[in-house]
Amino acid sequence: QVKLQQSGAELVKPGASVKLSCKTSGYTFSTSYMSWFKQIPGQSIEWIGMIYAGDGGTGYNQKFKGKATLTVDTSSSTAYMDLSSLTTEDSAVYFCASPNYGSYDYWGQGVMVTVSS
Amino acid sequence: DTVLTQSPALAVSPGERVTISCRASESVSTGMHWYQQKPGQQPKLLIYGASNLESGVPARFSGSGSGTDFTLTIDPVEADDTATYFCQQSWNDPNTFGAGTKLELK
Repeated sequence: QVKLQQSGAELVKPGASVKLSCKTSGYTFSTSYMSWFKQIPGQSIEWIGMIYAGDGGTGYNQKFKGKATLTVDTSSSTAYMDLSSLTTEDSAVYFCASPNYGSYDYWGQGVMVTVSS
Repeated sequence: DTVLTQSPALAVSPGERVTISCRASESVSTGMHWYQQKPGQQPKLLIYGASNLESGVPARFSGSGSGTDFTLTIDPVEADDTATYFCQQSWNDPNTFGAGTKLELK
């Protein structure tokens, strides 16, 4: 079955960067898309961007350009998201999810990123 | 960006019918999808394309609407349906989500 397994919780200092991973199984990752989302607990969900594993092509929400960088490693069927120059406003839960004609049918379990000195 | 407006909270009794609304600030055609999210969990897709039931989701859930006004209906509501429900549009870039409707059972 399809599974998206995200890396563990992160505690990082302001100004630092963090790289989150989303390891997939159960489907053909190399010809698929992956999207990433941000959710501050108790709040709504924001779409960060999407990457096509076939050629690494990306599309970003304007709000997250310069903040998030999406990459993939097709040899390990893993998607990554780098978050840079972190501030307390970046503290949130981040999800990866596979798009399917506009909706998102499979989600990772989410990873909590806490930015604190 | 397309703003999706949802009522913040609803409280219903088990066995009742509940409708959760989502209004878009501009037309999204039928590019509207609904999710259920329980505390500490990832969102779960319920309805895609405004009215299509995701595989494995109970037929108690249904969706309707097009353009700017959409509805998620649960009939009958069960205790396990306690959760926050989000609408999401994919018609306009970027994808956006509503603020969520928290459903509580009396």
